[in-house]
Amino acid sequence: DQQVKQNSPSLSVQEGRISILNCDYTNSMFDYFLWYKKYPAEGPTFLISISSIKDKNEDGRFTVFLNKSAKHLSLHIVPSQPGDSAVYFCAASARAGGTSYGKLTFGQGTILTVHP
Amino acid sequence: GAGVSQSPSNKVTEKGKDVELRCDPISGHTALYWYRQSLGQGLEFLIYFQGNSAPDKSGLPSDRFSAERTGGSVSTLTIQRTQQEDSAVYLCASSFGPGTYGYTFGSGTRLTVV
Repeated sequence: DQQVKQNSPSLSVQEGRISILNCDYTNSMFDYFLWYKKYPAEGPTFLISISSIKDKNEDGRFTVFLNKSAKHLSLHIVPSQPGDSAVYFCAASARAGGTSYGKLTFGQGTILTVHP
Repeated sequence: GAGVSQSPSNKVTEKGKDVELRCDPISGHTALYWYRQSLGQGLEFLIYFQGNSAPDKSGLPSDRFSAERTGGSVSTLTIQRTQQEDSAVYLCASSFGPGTYGYTFGSGTRLTVV
């Protein structure tokens, strides 16, 4: 039962253009969402997050959008740079939950390649 | 330490052998998590420790898997009688506690069972 899905295994973008990575979820109890970036042979690093009380959060070149009715979130990177090439994971949590508090459910990841 | 440290970075073991994976979290972080990433899969939650509370073991795939955290710091994940399907990258992460989700991951242990 994949509660968080990233349906695009890979995305290729030209440097300077926008990268849009998508994520869908099924669990309506999820109320906090995050994006992580992972380079080969390294652990994932936290990128940006959004609470379900918001529909947009921006941090420099990175913006996360949340559409609760569609159970969909997306990460926009503008402008894309070759150093952004990595695997991007979306993750979700039900913060109000009991023993699940603190646990993240991750998607499968999307490999982003930004060409110079 | 400055980051989450995991050892070994790579481990090749024969099917049926036991393995121990170690995680040193960031000093002061009360929450510690184990995840694993199998080939082509997302990160799969295994177990969560928070302070002195009973751990959330709901993600452990079988009773061959166990983990402990001594003194609220170092954690060891033990896999008994390893199987080929246990081959994965095992990732440890720590954070200041519940509600701080931008937690810090280690570089992982790549386990290969042959």
